Formats: sequence, C-alpha cells, structure tokens
Amino acid sequence: NAGVMQNPRHLVRRRGQEARLRCSPMKGHSHVYWYRQLPEEGLKFMVYLQKENIIDESGMPKERFSAEFPKEGPSILRIQQVVRGDSAAYFCASSPSRGTGNTGELFFGEGSRLTVL
Amino acid sequence: AQSVSQHNHHVILSEAASLELGCNYSYGGTVNLFWYVQYPGQHLQLLLKYFSGDPLVKGIKGFEAEFIKSKFSFNLRKPSVQWSDTAEYFCAVNARSSNTGKLIFGQGTTLQVKP
Repeated sequence: NAGVMQNPRHLVRRRGQEARLRCSPMKGHSHVYWYRQLPEEGLKFMVYLQKENIIDESGMPKERFSAEFPKEGPSILRIQQVVRGDSAAYFCASSPSRGTGNTGELFFGEGSRLTVL
Repeated sequence: AQSVSQHNHHVILSEAASLELGCNYSYGGTVNLFWYVQYPGQHLQLLLKYFSGDPLVKGIKGFEAEFIKSKFSFNLRKPSVQWSDTAEYFCAVNARSSNTGKLIFGQGTTLQVKP
C-alpha cells in the first residue's frame, strides 16, 4: 500500500558503517512493524513499536540493531557497524490501533534494500 | 512458538493451468490467516484473509483459500492462472490472543507463469 513510505529504497554501505532506514506509517496508523527478508527466505519479524514505545523486539538481533518510533517523525531502524550478513530487504508495515477497525491486516511499504559491500 | 510452512518454494505453470499453493501452520490456539502477494519490484499486498465463518474465502484476482482446521492448513488456489500472476506469495498467521498483532510468515513461494 503506497500509504506506508519507506526510504531510502536502496542503500549501499561498507562494512563497519551505519545504516538508517526510515518508515512513515499510513495516516492514522499508530503501530509499526519491521521485518527483514534475507535472500531465499521469508519475512522475519524484527520489532513492533507504538509511538515512543517498543512493544515486542523478540526478533531483533541482540547487538548493533535498534529501532525507535518517536512522538514526531518516522520510525527508524538503525544498524550499527554493518556486516555483509545484514544485506537484505527491510520492510516496514503499519496497522491502526486496536479496536478502531483493526482487522489484523498489516499494510506494507515497498521496502529498503540494504547492500553491504 | 508459531511457525508457518509453505511446501512449494518455486512453482512454474503455463497460463490457464490451475494453481494450488500449500500452507501449514503450527499453533494450538485460534488464528487469523492471510495470504500476501509481492509482484516484482512492489510491496506486499493482501490477497485474502480468514478470521472466522466460512472456511472458504475469496480474495482479489480470482484467488481463494480454504481453511482446514483439522489439518492446520490454509492452501491458496486459483482455477486458471495468468502471466500477470507471476509473483511471490506469502502465507502468514497471527494468534487471535496475541496483543501484538505481529504476523508470522512462511518462507514464500515464487510463482512463474509462462505465457
């Protein structure tokens, strides 16, 4: 759904650099999810955030990865000291608040493709 | 822990052939079930979803899926595929009792339709 905006669409980093991926949810959506898609694999859940809160980060690697969803502005997925294994497509999805017509469907952005050289 | 398994990783069909993509999940509780499609270079789009009621659900573009609770399955079908159905298809599940709403995805099936 074009309503979820991700940028950059493509990002190239050298090993050791930092990658920042941004996601603006659909208007009216307060829940943001980040997923990672590695080559030849499905989408793996990373983290679920609401405004200013991390609700579920059970899929986040323990080191180098962090996510935030500030009161103002987009959600950011930050990868420090990137390694080649971080090369993947990172997808953001959003959903409206519970009890306001939430049907469980997630609305996805077009993804950010990170390449680590 | 929940998991989703898609049996076919890569399917090649000719136009007008019938399609069935398998999806099985493991979870003991009540679930919501989804099929998403990702066309080349595009974002994931919802094809169809099952929450309750009639286990045979119809989605966009002539797709349908059947929830068979006893088999923990939610297979996707289309009677006659078109070249434009070439895409990657993902089955997903979330637990109705979950307070996070996160979807667990299968590994995806790449469908290639030959004209």
